[in-house]
This record gives sequence, C-alpha cells and structure tokens, in this order.
Amino acid sequence: QKEVEQDPGPLSVPEGAIVSLNCTYSNSAFQYFMWYRQYSRKGPELLMYTYSSGNKEDGRFTAQVDKSSKYISLFIRDSQPSDSATYLCAMRETGNQFYFGTGTSLTVIP
Amino acid sequence: EAGVAQSPRYKIIEKRQSVAFWCNPISGHATLYWYQQILGQGPKLLIQFQNNGVVDDSQLPKDRFSAERLKGVDSTLKIQPAKLEDSAVYLCASTHGGAGGELFFGEGSRLTVL
Repeated sequence: QKEVEQDPGPLSVPEGAIVSLNCTYSNSAFQYFMWYRQYSRKGPELLMYTYSSGNKEDGRFTAQVDKSSKYISLFIRDSQPSDSATYLCAMRETGNQFYFGTGTSLTVIP
Repeated sequence: EAGVAQSPRYKIIEKRQSVAFWCNPISGHATLYWYQQILGQGPKLLIQFQNNGVVDDSQLPKDRFSAERLKGVDSTLKIQPAKLEDSAVYLCASTHGGAGGELFFGEGSRLTVL
C-alpha cells in the first residue's frame, strides 16, 4: 500500500464549478499537509500548507484535513480556465521527508 | 526572495552519454532534495542533503547517478551513462530544514534520452 493515494483523474469541469480534489494516506504520524499546483512543463508551486486537522482558506482555495479519517481535500470555488493544471498532495511527519500523491489532472472548460 | 534555480531547463542526449544538472536553493535553506518525476507520476526522491551531508540516498541508482553539494549551497546531479528510462523531469527542492518548513521546487530540468 502506498503512503499517499490520489485519484489521477483526469477531471474536467465547466468554468465556475466547485472542484474537489482528494488524497488519502496511511501514516498517522503525518502532521503537515500540502497542495501543489503544477502547470505543464513547470515545477510544482506550493498552494496551501496546513498543520494537523482543520480547514484553511486562501481566496478561492480551501484545504481541509481530517486526520481521524486520514483524508485531505482541496476545494476550488468559482473555478477558472487558469486553474487547469495537475494538483499534487504532499505530506510530512515532523522530519524532513515528504511523501507525494501521483497528482490529479484538472481541466476547467470555458 | 529568489526561488530555487535550476539549469539547464531542457537537455536531449543519446543513451550512454552523460549529463549534469545544477541547482541553487533558496538562500538559507539547509535541506536540498533532488526528485525524479516521470510523466503522470508524483516526484520520487533521489537524494536529500542537509547542508553538505547526505541524509537519504536510498533510491539513487548509484551505479549511474551521483550528486554532490560541496559547500552546503548549490548542488549538482550527474547521470553517467544515461539510459532510455532516465527520461524524466529532475526537480530540485529546498526547505529551511526546521520543523514544519515548507518545501519549494525549482522549474525542473527535463531530460530526454534517445
């Protein structure tokens, strides 16, 4: 079993839709949770960074962590064509080793 | 604040040739990583440095890959000889190394082996 599981998609939604991206994990020691956005031929860009359980909001993006279910989500409200990218989830314990999902490819159709 | 710098962005070589990639992390970041990313997959750790020491190189194919970070700042990843399956994007990332530090990536170096 992989440490981090992420549905690869692809996911295609109309402009303005609410997008939900999810990851599950098996290691209960994970404390920090991240979402990266990766455009084609670019490096991953850090979008959201959260510690432990709870929600964090930044503009149209909301990151949600449920440690009891070992489940994290990224919600994108009012999705735009510019949100079309691959979204990677990542996690870490207290040390410096990071664990990544495989990425979900999202296309927002104008 | 300058981000993680990588070069070259693109490289095409024949199999059995050698190639080197360079990375300069964010200033002050003690921990530096090299990842390999194959299309449609998440980044796979090749090697992790803490200052100029190796923390984890368990997944580095040491018969052909080598990496160094001599002065604890910039780093070089070398592949010699390259194989077809080495075609991938090589991502460099850095973090300050303290508890809870964020991980920042460079733009990546895309390698095509023919």
